[in-house]
Amino acid sequence: EVQLLESGGGLVQPGGSLRLSCTTSGFTFGNYAMSWVRQAPGKGLEWVSCISAGGGSTYYADSAKGRFTFSRDNSKNMLYLQMNSLRAEDTAVYYCAKTRHSSSWYEFDYWGQGTLVTVSS
Amino acid sequence: DIQMTQSPSTLSASVGDRVTITCRASQSINNWLAWYQQKPGKAPKLLIYKASNLESGVPSRFSGSGSGTEFTLTISSLQPDDFATYYCQQYNSYSSFGQGTKLEIK
Repeated sequence: EVQLLESGGGLVQPGGSLRLSCTTSGFTFGNYAMSWVRQAPGKGLEWVSCISAGGGSTYYADSAKGRFTFSRDNSKNMLYLQMNSLRAEDTAVYYCAKTRHSSSWYEFDYWGQGTLVTVSS
Repeated sequence: DIQMTQSPSTLSASVGDRVTITCRASQSINNWLAWYQQKPGKAPKLLIYKASNLESGVPSRFSGSGSGTEFTLTISSLQPDDFATYYCQQYNSYSSFGQGTKLEIK
């Protein structure tokens, strides 16, 4: 059974940093691209970042570029999202999502339950 | 960036109704479009991929169609479990979502 479990969310002050993790199991992790998608309270879904299956390529939404860094450890089946210079508008539930194929741009067939990040003073 | 626009934003319907949600892309995305269902406090669930392919385990009352820039999600006969918010996603160029369509009970 495929499982994705995010952790690391919490309350952080504007300008601060946070690192999210996503623990995965139930599939051959290194064969699939992965993404982060966020959802601000009461709002829609926003794609944030994608990482290729091997980890050699990363892609970011303009809102995350230069501030967020997406990485993966294929030996541990783990994903990481380092978020720096956080702003109030980064407040959201952050989901990790599995792409159906090794290519970065496919549908998301599995999602975690999400972790809430709140940026506030 | 490719912008995705869904309509309507809110849809009121009754059990048994046939409903259609439209998603328009700001440029051609070929058939690289997915539909998701999301219930409050839950993660999205994949319903349709590559515009018209039904995800395994999803009831056959859900169907998708379209190509290029205009796509539709149709639910042929609404069931109580279908009242939720629906999102389209393009993955032709990076990824982006529509703003969502909330399907409410009339």
